[in-house]
Amino acid sequence: NAGVTQTPKFRILKIGQSMTLQCAQDMNHNYMYWYRQDPGMGLKLIYYSVGAGITDKGEVPNGYNVSRSTTEDFPLRLELAAPSQTSVYFCASSYSNRGQPDSSPLHFGNGTRLTVT
Amino acid sequence: KQEVTQIPAALSVPEGENLVLNCSFTDSAIYNLQWFRQDPGKGLTSLLLIQSSQREQTSGRLNASLDKSSGRSTLYIAASQPGDSATYLCAVYSGRRALTFGSGTRLQVQP
Repeated sequence: NAGVTQTPKFRILKIGQSMTLQCAQDMNHNYMYWYRQDPGMGLKLIYYSVGAGITDKGEVPNGYNVSRSTTEDFPLRLELAAPSQTSVYFCASSYSNRGQPDSSPLHFGNGTRLTVT
Repeated sequence: KQEVTQIPAALSVPEGENLVLNCSFTDSAIYNLQWFRQDPGKGLTSLLLIQSSQREQTSGRLNASLDKSSGRSTLYIAASQPGDSATYLCAVYSGRRALTFGSGTRLQVQP
């Protein structure tokens, strides 16, 4: 049981390049999230998904896209990378059977450290 | 808009000391509050989750309390150890999208 797996661990992009951050979980969780963490700051929600085929914007979605074709995978796509997207990106998952993720702790991956220069 | 504040931002204590980390939130209409631990270069690990109907949760040397009406939570760590050194974050779930995180308290326990 690997939990939440993120790849790659590190990446350097040039301005204008694109990339996909991969996230997979093997816990059969229905909720999945993407957060970014800037130095000395809390985590900010980029996108989230409540199940396969369903995604929604979080607090800071601009410049990103997601898809959720399976329960296990939730990739985050960066188009036209900008220096403001330099950050550490965390994927997380949780389970709820009551329509609200209010009873299950979040499980996090180890993050992807992205630098855009 | 929910805002979460953690004080202090950093804390250094000698080994063995009992300590309290504070978390406050602006909107008391929450479903739950979670405390997380983050080690350098790692993801977050959930420590304790308190439902809105609960007043506290305990796990080993950790005790978290919740006072919804005043918008406050505390994380109490008993008999601190160097291995407790990490950043501790609290987060609240208000039913709007997902968790709102504080910026964390960086704890250093000196041997």
